[in-house]
Amino acid sequence: DVKVTQSSRYLVKRTGEKVFLECVQDMDHENMFWYRQDPGLGLRLIYFSYDVKMKEKGDIPEGYSVSREKKERFSLILESASTNQTSMYLCASSRDDNSPLHFGNGTRLTVT
Amino acid sequence: DQQVKQNSPSLSVQEGRISILNCDYTNSMFDYFLWYKKYPAEGPTFLISISSIKDKNEDGRFTVFLNKSAKHLSLHIVPSQPGDSAVYFCAASAGNDYKLSFGAGTTVTVRA
Repeated sequence: DVKVTQSSRYLVKRTGEKVFLECVQDMDHENMFWYRQDPGLGLRLIYFSYDVKMKEKGDIPEGYSVSREKKERFSLILESASTNQTSMYLCASSRDDNSPLHFGNGTRLTVT
Repeated sequence: DQQVKQNSPSLSVQEGRISILNCDYTNSMFDYFLWYKKYPAEGPTFLISISSIKDKNEDGRFTVFLNKSAKHLSLHIVPSQPGDSAVYFCAASAGNDYKLSFGAGTTVTVRA
């Protein structure tokens, strides 16, 4: 069974802080994704990566960056957290572009 | 601008009856559609998918119908069970695009 692990379930950060969200998958998947989930908006893609050291912008990349130094790990970075980045963040992976996504349990980030 | 729309934020159904969830899309390039189910405090899990070359796909109690001309798909759950109470997300992708576009979700409550 695929396991996607997000390092934190809940985080509370202050405006202006640099925030790191970590995600690890154990199935040697090529593709990894970061989404945020907000009420009434569903899941919106922030960034994705289809290979080590490769990254592509999703639909809402502003204010975020990512890092994929190893195949199993995909990090989301909030360079300077703002209150409008308070959200549920979901990491996902997939074997290839025709395979369903496997999601982690999410990190609920609150920026005060 | 959301390309995948779930216009019903919630649905309440009696146990044993049929649940019908609807999803509309605007991008005519979408050719692969998926439904995900999400329980509170967990990440979404893949439920069922359909390719645009089909108009129906069935998996146990779950059936997805696709009407390409109307850019509409629906998920039928028969019979509905209390464990089906969750948020259901419709998602779509185009060709070899890695990105999935998600709807806002429909919260299903199955009453005993």
